Amino acid sequence: AQTVTQSQPEMSVQEAETVTLSCTYDTSENNYYLFWYKQPPSRQMILVIRQEAYKQQNATENRFSVNFQKAAKSFSLKISDSQLGDTAMYFCAFMEVGYALNFGKGTSLLVTP
Amino acid sequence: GAGVSQSPRYKVAKRGQDVALRCDPISGHVSLFWYQQALGQGPEFLTYFQNEAQLDKSGLPSDRFFAERPEGSVSTLKIQRTQQEDSAVYLCASSFFRTGSTDTQYFGPGTRLTVL
Repeated sequence: AQTVTQSQPEMSVQEAETVTLSCTYDTSENNYYLFWYKQPPSRQMILVIRQEAYKQQNATENRFSVNFQKAAKSFSLKISDSQLGDTAMYFCAFMEVGYALNFGKGTSLLVTP
Repeated sequence: GAGVSQSPRYKVAKRGQDVALRCDPISGHVSLFWYQQALGQGPEFLTYFQNEAQLDKSGLPSDRFFAERPEGSVSTLKIQRTQQEDSAVYLCASSFFRTGSTDTQYFGPGTRLTVL
């Protein structure tokens, strides 16, 4: 079974600064997908970014980027120029092709003025 | 064109009551997933539909949990004889399906179930 570990239960960052959230996973598969989802206090889960394991290039979406280290099974999320609206729970998730998402326990991010 | 919707948003049930939670996926999405999210935890997989076929129900915690999607669109998660440990947020997600690939899952707002 795949496991996803987020070792930082809570993090805090000042507005406009950069923060990195960590995620490691364990799998014996070679073809899979990784995701970061954001869940604000309203609880609607929103996709932040996704990465296909076969792609060597790290995914980027505006202020959000990942550092995907396949050999180390590491998938960290970097948020640049943090904004107050980035305050939320962030979940790292793993998926084999055609299967359900396997989530970590989440990191609670607080962006302060 | 709207996103995934779920109803009710909040449900309070007395222990032993039956409840039904509804999910309306994004139009045209073939795949539909149910997840259970306990307080302070990440979502955990319950069951998966491809059109009307329930392909995986390995995450359902007991035989009191039952899900259906009879016409391949709206899905209902039913919990019989609710117990306090069933209290959680139940999330529904939908996605397109392409053979050999994986499309992003889009989540609904969830139903918060509280069993007294």
